[in-house]
Amino acid sequence: GAVVSQHPSWVICKSGTSVKIECRSLDFQATTMFWYRQFPKQSLMLMATSNEGSKATYEQGVEKDKFLINHASLTLSTLTVTSAHPEDSSFYICSATRLGGAFGYTFGSGTRLTVV
Amino acid sequence: GENVEQHPSTLSVQEGDSAVIKCTYSDSASNYFPWYKQELGKGPQLIIDIRSNVGEKKDQRIAVTLNKTAKHFSLHITETQPEDSAVYFCAASGGIASGGYQKVTFGTGTKLQVIP
Repeated sequence: GAVVSQHPSWVICKSGTSVKIECRSLDFQATTMFWYRQFPKQSLMLMATSNEGSKATYEQGVEKDKFLINHASLTLSTLTVTSAHPEDSSFYICSATRLGGAFGYTFGSGTRLTVV
Repeated sequence: GENVEQHPSTLSVQEGDSAVIKCTYSDSASNYFPWYKQELGKGPQLIIDIRSNVGEKKDQRIAVTLNKTAKHFSLHITETQPEDSAVYFCAASGGIASGGYQKVTFGTGTKLQVIP
């Protein structure tokens, strides 16, 4: 089955620094990847959608200059949280699909970001 | 855009009993309805999905029903076990549009507790 690997699983960083999270599709080519943010006891909120080789589409209210998304290949997308602040602390989850979602959406295991 | 409502928010059942979680959606164009199980600190795992051309789907103890006219779909878990305890999310998507992609919109989640 489709497998999505997300790394790191957790990270602690100092306020003002940047953090990069990687999302890889291991056994399929992900034409589209999604990045979500989840606060404790809440649902997943879509941050942005990226197609390989093109700019990401951000949801309303998500700062594109703060949350940089790169989808340089069909198997890798990265989310960089720039100049992180404590309020950016959250659980970030990626999802990948191919061919317009015809094969469903596979989620990574998530990254717990704590900004101190 | 799509709006997915999910009920109940919490559900406690005795081991061996059945659990039912219900969702409604607003966009009649949605045609793919996955259900995810999320354990603490992990990413969502697909447990079953249904497409709009099917009214019911079953996989061992798990079943999903879809009523397109009423725009609602339900998850049924029979013979519940303690390991079924988790948060369950329903979702809706126009995921099988040819060529492009569609966003997945999540419900608010149901915390299921199976009491031994």
